[in-house]
Amino acid sequence: AQSVTQPDIHITVSEGASLELRCNYSYGATPYLFWYVQSPGQGLQLLLKYFSGDTLVQGIKGFEAEFKRSQSSFNLRKPSVHWSDAAEYFCAVGPGGNKLTFGTGTQLKVEL
Amino acid sequence: KAGVTQTPRYLIKTRGQQVTLSCSPISGHRSVSWYQQTPGQGLQFLFEYFSETQRNKGNFPGRFSGRQFSNSRSEMNVSTLELGDSALYLCASSFLAGGAQGEQFFGPGTRLTVL
Repeated sequence: AQSVTQPDIHITVSEGASLELRCNYSYGATPYLFWYVQSPGQGLQLLLKYFSGDTLVQGIKGFEAEFKRSQSSFNLRKPSVHWSDAAEYFCAVGPGGNKLTFGTGTQLKVEL
Repeated sequence: KAGVTQTPRYLIKTRGQQVTLSCSPISGHRSVSWYQQTPGQGLQFLFEYFSETQRNKGNFPGRFSGRQFSNSRSEMNVSTLELGDSALYLCASSFLAGGAQGEQFFGPGTRLTVL
């Protein structure tokens, strides 16, 4: 069965600092990987996705993620965090399309 | 283009009652998926409908059911509500069906509280 682990429940960074959110997955075949962000009272917004090809994926809002098959990881990064990035971030894996398995989420707090 | 809309946004029910939630996908999207989000279990896939047919189903009891209409709008129903059904129910729409590459667009959710 597929699964996703986000080891960090909470992360606090200073505005302007770099960010890395960790995601490890378990999946039998080549996975489709996603990062979503959820602000309070909102639904999920897709930041980026990996299906195949280049292992470094660029997304919206200055985020990027790198797929590392050998480490079963898909970590999310941003070089300089803005206060508006404070939210909850979810990594997800799927066989393709719409049946996603989500991680438990990482709550990001940004200190001004 | 309007986003995914879900109604109602908030709902309070008592144990044993049933509830129906509605989701209108983005115009042109034919796939609608439902997810349950709780603090304890996180985000869990309920089911997906495409062209009025259920294509995928998660691990939920039969009390959870859904349907999709010809205009792609979807409803989910929970019968005999339990306290543990209190959750944020998210609907997501996609142009493509499960198994194909595609982006899902999520609605703001319906917050269900069971007393």
